[in-house]
Formats: sequence, C-alpha cells, structure tokens
Amino acid sequence: GAVVSQHPSWVICKSGTSVKIECRSLDFQATTMFWYRQFPKQSLMLMATSNEGSKATYEQGVEKDKFLINHASLTLSTLTVTSAHPEDSSFYICSARPLSVETQYFGPGTRLLVL
Amino acid sequence: AQSVSQHNHHVILSEAASLELGCNYSYGGTVNLFWYVQYPGQHLQLLLKYFSGDPLVKGIKGFEAEFIKSKFSFNLRKPSVQWSDTAEYFCAVNALNTGFQKLVFGTGTRLLVSP
Repeated sequence: GAVVSQHPSWVICKSGTSVKIECRSLDFQATTMFWYRQFPKQSLMLMATSNEGSKATYEQGVEKDKFLINHASLTLSTLTVTSAHPEDSSFYICSARPLSVETQYFGPGTRLLVL
Repeated sequence: AQSVSQHNHHVILSEAASLELGCNYSYGGTVNLFWYVQYPGQHLQLLLKYFSGDPLVKGIKGFEAEFIKSKFSFNLRKPSVQWSDTAEYFCAVNALNTGFQKLVFGTGTRLLVSP
C-alpha cells in the first residue's frame, strides 16, 4: 500500500519550454502532496506544499510563477516548470500524505534536463 | 528554523559489522522523527518512524532507532549490516509548529557495505 507514482520518470527539454510533471497516489487519497528538489549529492529540499483544492504554499526562495503547482484531486498533483532554463535541471520528487496520517510516501522522482 | 544534522556523510563497513548513523535536530518542541532509505536507482522508502511512546522504535530490515529527547537525537542502528544495506540514509523531522506538515531532511549518509 501507499504507492506514489510520478510521470515522466525523466525528461529532456529545450530552454524556454515548459514541462509538466505528474504525481499520483495510486492506492490512497492524499489531501496534501509535497514537491521536493534534490541536487546531486545533496538532500531533498522542500519546494512547496500542495493541498487539494487550494493554492500551494511555497517555501522561501521558490518562485511560484516559475513552478506552478495544481492539486485538482485527492490523487493527483502536477508541477509545471515554466520557461525552463538549464539551472532548473534537477531531480524532482513528490510525496503524498494520506488522510489523518503524518507519514509521507515518496514517488520515484523525475529527472529533468534542460538543454 | 528547524534543521537536521547527519554527522557522517559517508560510511564504509564490512558485512556483519554494526552500524550507527547519527541524527540530531534543532527544534525544541514536539516532533515526529523519520528515517528514510534510498537504494541505488530507487525512490525513498520509509525505514521507521517515531511519533510518541517507546523511544526505541523498530523498523524494517532489522533497523532500529532511539529517540533521546535530552540530546535531540534519533540515531539509526543495525547490529549486523548486509551488502544489500548499501544505500543512502536520510533522517527527517516534522514539527508541531508547522502542523507536522513540513518535513525537513538531513543531508544524508551514504553507506557502502563491502561483501
């Protein structure tokens, strides 16, 4: 149980284009989903917290207009990297938290390479 | 702001050796504590967690961790490691003052177990 999927698993795009990453909780409902970024050999850094049906809460230093988050249902959240630049290349990981549970379950991550 | 420190960035052990990975956190209030493991090429998996009660918690694969409130520590232990324990281990904390929403990660410890 508590499986989280991400799609795509990796993506290469040209600078200036937008990329959408999906995060799904497959066997549970998640009122809250989280988006992290992991740089090589570093830890996960929380980018934003996404609550179903409301606006995401972004961490300090994360541009909300660049990283658009939508959490339209209890099983799906999307992260759109708009006008991607090479410095946005990274490993993006989502997690989901089941209702009334304080444990997060993580997706497998999406590796983004912007050329 | 909360922070999580993992003292060992890299640990190399032989099979059957005992393991202890250190984790300290900075927040003085009520916390939930987690250890996650990331095997090569795989996503983060929950090893164990502490919310309340017995400060010695047992997780999967023979791992355990002890919460010592006076030391703000949550060290991970395993009496006898196996080659398959080669992975990166992350300690994480969320706190009451953020509604247990925000999970703060340590920088991770890479464990290499030689056969």
